[in-house]
Amino acid sequence: SQQGEEDPQALSIQEGENATMNCSYKTSINNLQWYRQNSGRGLVHLILIRSNEREKHSGRLRVTLDTSKKSSSLLITASRAADTASYFCATANTGRRALTFGSGTRLQVQP
Amino acid sequence: GAVVSQHPSRVICKSGTSVKIECRSLDFQATTMFWYRQFPKKSLMLMATSNEGSKATYEQGVEKDKFLINHASLTLSTLTVTSAHPEDSSFYICSATPLAGYNEQFFGPGTRLTVL
Repeated sequence: SQQGEEDPQALSIQEGENATMNCSYKTSINNLQWYRQNSGRGLVHLILIRSNEREKHSGRLRVTLDTSKKSSSLLITASRAADTASYFCATANTGRRALTFGSGTRLQVQP
Repeated sequence: GAVVSQHPSRVICKSGTSVKIECRSLDFQATTMFWYRQFPKKSLMLMATSNEGSKATYEQGVEKDKFLINHASLTLSTLTVTSAHPEDSSFYICSATPLAGYNEQFFGPGTRLTVL
């Protein structure tokens, strides 16, 4: 399969709660990136974590990477209604510049 | 940050016609651009890698005669959907990166194609 898997496929939480999304992939990677997409719109880059990094923070975002398990997680803390969107992980596989996208998680934050 | 534009943002056409979609890097040069396709509520699937000055590299299962890609300059790649049919209706998104190696990609806003 070209794509990795993300879970959950859909997540609904209340404003102020934390949201955790997980991503698994299959091949050796150079880096893993997380993107956000509002309905019918383009993708916005959130964060990039390289294969030799284990954790990275950016504002309310925290990303972890476990290359031994070929998995990553994205944590959004203190969620807001404006965080409602689809979130995709994407891997830059070794030897290939094009990104391979996960299946995505649709996050709904209830105000 | 680097900006990528797409034109048009939305197009509706009749079956059998051809549609051209432009992808431009506005403030950087991109020797490589990528074209993705996204079905409703699905993830992005890579269609092809567009290389400036050379032929595009297509993913398995993507018809090169159906989806013509031209990368005539360092800031412009075009995707032409030839003899479009309703099953070609989709969201087409391009991306580009200003740097060599493996780095973040900057995505265009996408083009919604509807074929009647």
